[in-house]
Amino acid sequence: DIQMTQSPPSVSANVGDRLTLTCRASQSVSNHLTWFQQKPGKAPQLLVYSASTLQSGVPSRFSGSGSGTDFTLTINSLQPEDFATYFCQQTHAMPRTFGQGTKVEIK
Amino acid sequence: EVQLVESGGAVVQPGGSLRLSCVASGFRIDDYTMHWVRQPPGKGLEWVSAITWDGKKTHYADFMRGRFTVSKDSGKNSLFLQVNSLSPDDTALYYCARGILGYDSLDVWGQGTPVTVSS
Repeated sequence: DIQMTQSPPSVSANVGDRLTLTCRASQSVSNHLTWFQQKPGKAPQLLVYSASTLQSGVPSRFSGSGSGTDFTLTINSLQPEDFATYFCQQTHAMPRTFGQGTKVEIK
Repeated sequence: EVQLVESGGAVVQPGGSLRLSCVASGFRIDDYTMHWVRQPPGKGLEWVSAITWDGKKTHYADFMRGRFTVSKDSGKNSLFLQVNSLSPDDTALYYCARGILGYDSLDVWGQGTPVTVSS
């Protein structure tokens, strides 16, 4: 199975900060990488698929990049509603696997 | 409106079984690969299972160990997950989700149905 590792596990940031979250795959997943945002008590929401394609309706301050094994999710000018947990998932092979998540907290 | 609604979660004793259901509205499940994902309390997301649009292929996470079976009923536009030999480690919120055509990224999720395994 492909293992997905996210870093850091948690981060504290201020409103207006630029934040970069990282996801690494144990083997190449090409560009088959998805990012989700999850808020407490809610289902995950799709942010980015195919490593860099923004899902419809997602604010443009979110962007994804990377290919192969190393990927990043960047949030420009962090907003209050962005404080949440972010998960990556590979869609390259079955079984699909998620990273363990990065929790973004208010500093 | 495109929507998924899960049901069937319950409190069950170790060794017990459940059948989880997920009813889709606003789209046909036969047009998509459909997935189950679970989330233990306070923890991250775990991919569980998937069934292709035509029902010909099913996929499972390794921890299923043959205990779970995914299926669907096209006439009812519904997805199911039969879970057997449950252990406390299976305690989680179980979500169904739809995979985007061509990418299989999960773009529509239900609200989840809770499964608690406890004696």
